[in-house]
Amino acid sequence: AQSVTQLDSQVPVFEEAPVELRCNYSSSVSVYLFWYVQYPNQGLQLLLKYLSGSTLVKGINGFEAEFNKSQTSFHLRKPSVHISDTAEYFCALSTPNAGGTSYGKLTFGQGTILTVHP
Amino acid sequence: DAGVTQSPTHLIKTRGQHVTLRCSPISGHKSVSWYQQVLGQGPQFIFQYYEKEERGRGNFPDRFSARQFPNYSSELNVNALLLGDSALYLCASSFGSRYEQYFGPGTRLTVT
Repeated sequence: AQSVTQLDSQVPVFEEAPVELRCNYSSSVSVYLFWYVQYPNQGLQLLLKYLSGSTLVKGINGFEAEFNKSQTSFHLRKPSVHISDTAEYFCALSTPNAGGTSYGKLTFGQGTILTVHP
Repeated sequence: DAGVTQSPTHLIKTRGQHVTLRCSPISGHKSVSWYQQVLGQGPQFIFQYYEKEERGRGNFPDRFSARQFPNYSSELNVNALLLGDSALYLCASSFGSRYEQYFGPGTRLTVT
């Protein structure tokens, strides 16, 4: 079975400071990895994805993440945060189903609440 | 282009009742997945449908069922509602069964 662990439930930072949100995963098969952001009372917005290829992936709003297979991690980073980045962030993975015909099941971590202070 | 749409936005039901939630995917997307998000937790996978066939099922009781229509929209049905079914129900669509998923705004279900 696969799992995702987000190592910090809450991360407070000051505006314009760098931030890293940590995500570790466990899976015995190949994975696709994602970061989503959820603003209060809204659905999830895709920030970035790792499907294959370069291990450093860039997403929207200045976020990037690095896939590290040996450490089974996919940490999210931003060099300078804004007040508007305050939200909850979810790391997720998908793995193929038994027949290998679908990667449709996303397994999510518990979420990290990022709070940016002025 | 319109994103994933879900209806209704909010819903209040009584224990034992039945509920139907609806989802329209992004135009051109053929796969729809359903997730349950309980307050303070990450979403939990319920179902995935692709080309009207079930491609995956999460660890939910048989009270939960879903279907996908020829226009790729989808319904999630929950029978015999329990208080623990209170949650945000999220629908996500993707172009195929192996692509990234885009989420709708969700339906907030409250069971009293």
